[in-house]
Amino acid sequence: AQKITQTQPGMFVQEKEAVTLDCTYDTSDQSYGLFWYKQPSSGEMIFLIYQGSYDEQNATEGRYSLNFQKARKSANLVISASQLGDSAMYFCAMRNTGFQKLVFGTGTRLLVSP
Amino acid sequence: DVKVTQSSRYLVKRTGEKVFLECVQDMDHENMFWYRQDPGLGLRLIYFSYDVKMKEKGDIPEGYSVSREKKERFSLILESASTNQTSMYLCASSFYKTGKNTEAFFGQGTRLTVV
Repeated sequence: AQKITQTQPGMFVQEKEAVTLDCTYDTSDQSYGLFWYKQPSSGEMIFLIYQGSYDEQNATEGRYSLNFQKARKSANLVISASQLGDSAMYFCAMRNTGFQKLVFGTGTRLLVSP
Repeated sequence: DVKVTQSSRYLVKRTGEKVFLECVQDMDHENMFWYRQDPGLGLRLIYFSYDVKMKEKGDIPEGYSVSREKKERFSLILESASTNQTSMYLCASSFYKTGKNTEAFFGQGTRLTVV
């Protein structure tokens, strides 16, 4: 069965610092994709970054990078140089290539302080 | 721009009513998903569909059914609404494959209150 675990209900970081949001996953499939989304207080779901299970390099998108450790089944999101606008809920998700079920974790609320 | 549109932003229904939540996407995506979002529980998958007339149960399908008669439209049905179905409902769509540019796109959500 597919499962995503986010163990940090809330995280605090100061502006300009880096922060790591944890995500571990469970699947028996070899081919899958991992996604991170941001949900600000407005409620919209904003896609941030994607990592494929066969990608050899960690994904990066601007200030976002994904620390992918396949053997440990972890896909942590790293936000560098935090900004006040980064305050939001962050969700990790996974979809297997074969069975297309897209599952999410419970999310981490990030608060960035000045 | 990809657009996923949910028919209502806010909905108030009475216990026992049959409720329809509609979702339409315009990107020719094969996959469509229905989630409910509750504080502390994240997004929980109710049902998903990877093709017209195909449906798969998610993690919490009890009390819900779905319909996908056309590729662009995916409906969530609460057969007999109950107060514990009060929640935010999110619809999403994606291509049927994994890889770059296959992320799911979400609708704006429907806040359903059952009284």
